[in-house]
Amino acid sequence: KAGVTQTPRYLIKTRGQQVTLSCSPISGHRSVSWYQQTPGQGLQFLFEYFSETQRNKGNFPGRFSGRQFSNSRSEMNVSTLELGDSALYLCASRPGQGENEQYFGPGTRLTVT
Amino acid sequence: AQSVTQLDSHVSVSEGTPVLLRCNYSSSYSPSLFWYVQHPNKGLQLLLKYTSAATLVKGINGFEAEFKKSETSFHLTKPSAHMSDAAEYFCVVRPSGGGYNKLIFGAGTRLAVHP
Repeated sequence: KAGVTQTPRYLIKTRGQQVTLSCSPISGHRSVSWYQQTPGQGLQFLFEYFSETQRNKGNFPGRFSGRQFSNSRSEMNVSTLELGDSALYLCASRPGQGENEQYFGPGTRLTVT
Repeated sequence: AQSVTQLDSHVSVSEGTPVLLRCNYSSSYSPSLFWYVQHPNKGLQLLLKYTSAATLVKGINGFEAEFKKSETSFHLTKPSAHMSDAAEYFCVVRPSGGGYNKLIFGAGTRLAVHP
């Protein structure tokens, strides 16, 4: 099976712009989670989607949003970008039943200038 | 609130010597604990997990970890380090009761392996 894929892998944006990141989970996985990784704050949970519904949300401002499509693919959007949004954004998927471990994608490296 | 503390930000070992990466957790209930590894420019890979079964957990690539409730620890060990083990390691706790996907990560330990 193909692993979790994320596009694009690298992105450079200007402060004030918005950005959309995409994640395709492993085939058959219905749950997708997003994490932000920065040198200062480490890895932090953003949100989780299951069957097109947001099930959990971390402590991030409303500028961070997401959605999940019927094929389980997910997108994450960040509006009004700030310099502090520069980070590696990781997506993870799991089948969605029971306490299965999560499978992570390679991440999207976002740089805000 | 649940949290994890990785006691060393950097660990350096020689190839062929044992590895010990230390992790303490804080949890009100029996936690689910994990160790993940991240190689440069790669995503996170699950090494092993503890979910209230055996306290000694064996993972991939020769790694294992022991859950010690009395010490609230979940240290990661490997008898003999390999050059390919050089990476960043994260100790992770999953909150009990709902939010199965809401993982709480430690700050990470960067492991260097010298010839």
